[in-house]
Amino acid sequence: QQQVKQSPQSLIVQKGGISIINCAYENTAFDYFPWYQQFPGKGPALLIAIRPDVSEKKEGRFTISFNKSAKQFSLHIMDSQPGDSATYFCAASPGSRVTGGGNKLTFGTGTQLKVEL
Amino acid sequence: NAGVTQTPKFRVLKTGQSMTLLCAQDMNHEYMYWYRQDPGMGLRLIHYSVGEGTTAKGEVPDGYNVSRLKKQNFLLGLESAAPSQTSVYFCASSFYAAGVYEQYFGPGTRLTVT
Repeated sequence: QQQVKQSPQSLIVQKGGISIINCAYENTAFDYFPWYQQFPGKGPALLIAIRPDVSEKKEGRFTISFNKSAKQFSLHIMDSQPGDSATYFCAASPGSRVTGGGNKLTFGTGTQLKVEL
Repeated sequence: NAGVTQTPKFRVLKTGQSMTLLCAQDMNHEYMYWYRQDPGMGLRLIHYSVGEGTTAKGEVPDGYNVSRLKKQNFLLGLESAAPSQTSVYFCASSFYAAGVYEQYFGPGTRLTVT
């Protein structure tokens, strides 16, 4: 059962354009939604994260939009640059609702982003 | 501060051989995790630990064993490797702060089983 569905699988954007990656979740117990960025040959690195008490979070050129009622969240990369070319993973977890069980992240299947000149 | 490190970086095994992957973290994190990453499937949790001496099964635990004898180390063992275990393995660690657990990943181990 895939609890976090991510789309598209791959994305090509022109330099300066907006990259948009979407995720949908099923488990209403999720309350922490991070995005990870992964470059070839490297481990995933936390990019930005959101809790459901806000509908949007912005850090530089990266913005998460969150729609609790639709159980969807998305990553927007403004003014996309060739250096943003990487694989992006959304994830979700129960976060603070889990006591004593740690934080188990459920990942989407990833989006391979290529930003062309 | 090296963060999360993994040993080895690459390994080729023959079917039926055994091996141990080592993960070490120097951030004093309580929680540690092992994931596998396969094309088109994202990262899937194999086993995790909520503290020294504890382990628990994740989403895909079959064929793997783990141990957390020291807080800073988390070992992943394959007793009898199978081609289906060809994958990239990532270790992660996390701590609890401000209501969430941020996970930090190591650089990965690429394992091929022939």
